[in-house]
Amino acid sequence: DTGVSQNPRHKITKRGQNVTFRCDPISEHNRLYWYRQTLGQGPEFLTYFQNEAQLEKSRLLSDRFSAERPKGSFSTLEIQRTEQGDSAMYLCASSLVIRGDTQYFGPGTRLTVL
Amino acid sequence: AQTVTQSQPEMSVQEAETVTLSCTYDTSESDYYLFWYKQPPSRQMILVIRQEAYKQQNATENRFSVNFQKAAKSFSLKISDSQLGDAAMYFCAVSMDSNYQLIWGAGTKLIIKP
Repeated sequence: DTGVSQNPRHKITKRGQNVTFRCDPISEHNRLYWYRQTLGQGPEFLTYFQNEAQLEKSRLLSDRFSAERPKGSFSTLEIQRTEQGDSAMYLCASSLVIRGDTQYFGPGTRLTVL
Repeated sequence: AQTVTQSQPEMSVQEAETVTLSCTYDTSESDYYLFWYKQPPSRQMILVIRQEAYKQQNATENRFSVNFQKAAKSFSLKISDSQLGDAAMYFCAVSMDSNYQLIWGAGTKLIIKP
């Protein structure tokens, strides 16, 4: 069990640029979640996948955000035309779809938009 | 809408003593799961303990235990024999059986005094 991994760990970009983050879940997990966390706050749900299907998207996820999970394995989160308000930690978690299963988190990608 | 409230933004405790972090939640669902996660500074979110709402027995994990009061919708975390490595942000979260999405509290910063 290698745990959830995320890349890159840090990303600094200029306003208006596009960025893409990757998440590799625990291998046998079929659910994958994306959260956003700002300093001093709890995570906020963005979206989740069951296998390759994106089942729910938060209202926080504007049209500039898109997520994919091709073949139900790793996932990518892309932010287009970044804004300073997008600066945050982006967390990925994975779980098995059984009742009340625990979500296991990756180390996160810290995005800074200048 | 489901909400989770952590009323203590910060708590401090002397090393080797016991501390209790409080959490209350609001949900109309009958089946749900409760979690405490720990997030050390600049490190990833780690599961501390979980509780199934249908179980009356309080969960314990070594020095960590919960006091689950379903009628009061309260879910506090007790840390016994506090250690310096326990210093972190502690987040309470609730997962509903309907969609497994985690609803988070704002967190409590725990300081351990040597």
